[in-house]
Amino acid sequence: DIVMTQTPLSSPVTLGQPASISCRSSQSLVHSDGNTYLSWLQQRPGQPPRLLIYKISNRFSGVPDRFSGSGAGTDFTLKISRVEAEDVGVYYCMQATQFPLAFGQGTKLEIK
Amino acid sequence: EVQLLESGGGLVQPGGSLRLSCAASGFTFSSYAMSWVRQAPGKGLEWVSAISGSGGSTYYADSVKGRFTISRDNSKNTLYLQMNSLRAEDTAVYYCAKDRSGGYSYGPGPFLWYFDLWGRGTLVTVSS
Repeated sequence: DIVMTQTPLSSPVTLGQPASISCRSSQSLVHSDGNTYLSWLQQRPGQPPRLLIYKISNRFSGVPDRFSGSGAGTDFTLKISRVEAEDVGVYYCMQATQFPLAFGQGTKLEIK
Repeated sequence: EVQLLESGGGLVQPGGSLRLSCAASGFTFSSYAMSWVRQAPGKGLEWVSAISGSGGSTYYADSVKGRFTISRDNSKNTLYLQMNSLRAEDTAVYYCAKDRSGGYSYGPGPFLWYFDLWGRGTLVTVSS
């Protein structure tokens, strides 16, 4: 099974400053169709998860452009260019390239 | 409005059964694979099960295989999760999630792609 490892697990950030979360998979997430099914989810306190980024770097509808995704193979990054108060929550990476689906442990973003 | 609404959660004794439902609206339900994802109190996300848009293909996490059954009724736009032989470790909020793919076991891509719509969840508590 593929294991997803996120770092850091907690990230205190100053409002207006950038934030970065890393996600590493135990195997390559490149599917035989050439796509990489790595997505990022945000879970605000008391809310269900919501999709931010899909297939490494595609922003989902309605997601602010301060969120961006990058990476390839086994190493991926979610970046927030300027953190806002509404960004507080837990961020998860998720792989769907291979069953069973796997999530990272989550990274808690909080304001300093 | 595009939405998913789970129901059926509650308190159940170890060894008991429960059936969760997820009512979908605002999109062509039968065109998309669906999944159940759970989150134990204070913990991260765990994928539980998935089903193709047609309902003909299903997949399970090892932790629930043989105890849980996923199904769907496309005429009612509803997804189900039958949970038997429940254990304390099954205690969690259960979310249904819509996938962007139709769920094809032999398609050009994987069965699931990414979850673009989530319900608000329903809490299942297994305790005596």
